[in-house]
Amino acid sequence: GAGVSQSPSNKVTEKGKDVELRCDPISGHTALYWYRQSLGQGLEFLIYFQGNSAPDKSGLPSDRFSAERTGGSVSTLTIQRTQQEDSAVYLCASSLDSSYNSPLHFGNGTRLTVT
Amino acid sequence: AQSVTQLGSHVSVSEGALVLLRCNYSSSVPPYLFWYVQYPNQGLQLLLKYTSAATLVKGINGFEAEFKKSETSFHLTKPSAHMSDAAEYFCAVSRGEYGNKLVFGAGTILRVKS
Repeated sequence: GAGVSQSPSNKVTEKGKDVELRCDPISGHTALYWYRQSLGQGLEFLIYFQGNSAPDKSGLPSDRFSAERTGGSVSTLTIQRTQQEDSAVYLCASSLDSSYNSPLHFGNGTRLTVT
Repeated sequence: AQSVTQLGSHVSVSEGALVLLRCNYSSSVPPYLFWYVQYPNQGLQLLLKYTSAATLVKGINGFEAEFKKSETSFHLTKPSAHMSDAAEYFCAVSRGEYGNKLVFGAGTILRVKS
């Protein structure tokens, strides 16, 4: 079946612009996660959704970052007034449920470059 | 708090040789542990997971990992490396406070020489 789909695959934006990154999870997966992967920082957790609610937003690095999920499916990560340090690969993952042994299925990521 | 440490940011082996990628965890409760692999320009793919059912866990592509509580380790092994195994490998532990939030190690890049 279809895996986690992320769009765009690449995004180049100018410093100060806003960007939206989209994630389509696997159908039927109730849990959705956003991670950021950058050189020197590894894989950083950003936010977790269960259904449409976000019980854990602790990884969002600043108030310029926000995310929402609608219909228990698609999620959008928005970065306002982008900075060069926001350049990274943003990975989305979904899992069937929130149990500890429910594996995360990752998309191929969106590579964001802020110039 | 749960965390993982991967020893060695780069590992190089010859084709056909044993692969050993090291991971040590820190957890105040029995952990759930995972190994993921990432090929260039792709997302992470689950190799295997430990969820306390058995200490020796077999995964895809001939990989396996052994959970050793006394050593707080979950090392990944493969008896014979193949060129296609060249990738970056991540060990992760579930924090479990909200959902299956994973904390990842820094990753180990595996190079396979012909």
